[in-house]
Amino acid sequence: SAVISQKPSRDICQRGTSLTIQCQVDSQVTMMFWYRQQPGQSLTLIATANQGSEATYESGFVIDKFPISRPNLTFSTLTVSNMSPEDSSIYLCSVEAPGGIEQFFGPGTRLTVL
Amino acid sequence: GQSLEQPSEVTAVEGAIVQINCTYQTSGFYGLSWYQQHDGGAPTFLSYNGLDGLEETGRFSSFLSRSDSYGYLLLQELQMKDSASYFCAVRVPQGNTPLVFGKGTRLSVIA
Repeated sequence: SAVISQKPSRDICQRGTSLTIQCQVDSQVTMMFWYRQQPGQSLTLIATANQGSEATYESGFVIDKFPISRPNLTFSTLTVSNMSPEDSSIYLCSVEAPGGIEQFFGPGTRLTVL
Repeated sequence: GQSLEQPSEVTAVEGAIVQINCTYQTSGFYGLSWYQQHDGGAPTFLSYNGLDGLEETGRFSSFLSRSDSYGYLLLQELQMKDSASYFCAVRVPQGNTPLVFGKGTRLSVIA
């Protein structure tokens, strides 16, 4: 299994500011995934981050709003830019287990935008 | 498009059996997974069905019928700690998209 840590675990931010969320994995992985989960809702994939290439964004998510870095095989960051209250959510990073059946999730970052 | 349907809430008594259904409509299909998420926690993997039939892991079983685009998660001998949200998720052959999640079923186990 993979152990995933995220920083910060939670934050309260002002409208118009940006927050960068860090994700660290204890093993090298090809792809890292960023999800958003609004309270009581399902998980929605924001983007897939591959090391050495641009992230691939899902419909409804754009790089200007959610820039992603993937400097190496164990680390990624997601920035939530120019935040509004609608961005209040839990942001989770995730990796696939070898074999591609199981996904492991980080503990999440609970973001509240005032 | 992709859609997965599962009940939003289920309540069951401690010690009983509960079945959570999932129907899906996706463009392509590799398999059906189930994840458990406790309040404030991260989703954790429970089971995967790539082929039709029943998979059993302890008190939990999962079933898939590809022809019916249908699966279910069966929880036996319910315990209070099973109170959580349960998500079905489909693996689809679509670029880098790993999983498409259902909206989740909130299970409440009562004494």
